[in-house]
Amino acid sequence: EAGVAQSPRYKIIEKRQSVAFWCNPISGHATLYWYQQILGQGPKLLIQFQNNGVVDDSQLPKDRFSAERLKGVDSTLKIQPAKLEDSAVYLCASSLDRGQYSGANVLTFGAGSRLTVL
Amino acid sequence: AQSVTQLDSHVSVSEGTPVLLRCNYSSSYSPSLFWYVQHPNKGLQLLLKYTSAATLVKGINGFEAEFKKSETSFHLTKPSAHMSDAAEYFCVVSGRPTGANNLFFGTGTRLTVIP
Repeated sequence: EAGVAQSPRYKIIEKRQSVAFWCNPISGHATLYWYQQILGQGPKLLIQFQNNGVVDDSQLPKDRFSAERLKGVDSTLKIQPAKLEDSAVYLCASSLDRGQYSGANVLTFGAGSRLTVL
Repeated sequence: AQSVTQLDSHVSVSEGTPVLLRCNYSSSYSPSLFWYVQHPNKGLQLLLKYTSAATLVKGINGFEAEFKKSETSFHLTKPSAHMSDAAEYFCVVSGRPTGANNLFFGTGTRLTVIP
């Protein structure tokens, strides 16, 4: 099966500019996640979607970050305006679960989008 | 609240020697625990998972981990390191009583394998 696709792989912008990242999850996966991984740290959840609804966005800096998953498939994550501290790898992941919590549900991650803010 | 502590930020072993990557967890529930590996410029890959079944869990590439509730530990081991094992390893706890929803990652352990 095809994996989780993300683009672009790399992006360099200046502070106060905007940027958008795109994610296409594994076909049939109901849940989609965006994680932020700052250099030297573990990934941190930004937002979690179940189909096209938001399950958890408590860690999303909503003054500058936004995300949507309009048709319950692809998702975009936008940053506007970007700050220096937003430099990180943005990871998208998806999982099959549809509200039935089970140890069989595993997250599959994309390769990530590396953002550098100058 | 759920969290994990990876006790070593960097581990260096010689090829062919055992690997031990240490992880302690904290969870309000009976946790599901995972180890993920991240090779440079590649996505995170699941090595193994514990979900309240057998306490000794076998994963891919010869890795295994043992869940010890009394020690709140979930250390990752491999009998013999290979050069291809060099990567960043993350211990992860789930944010739900069971399942993989909303994972909480440790800060990672970088494994170096010396030829």
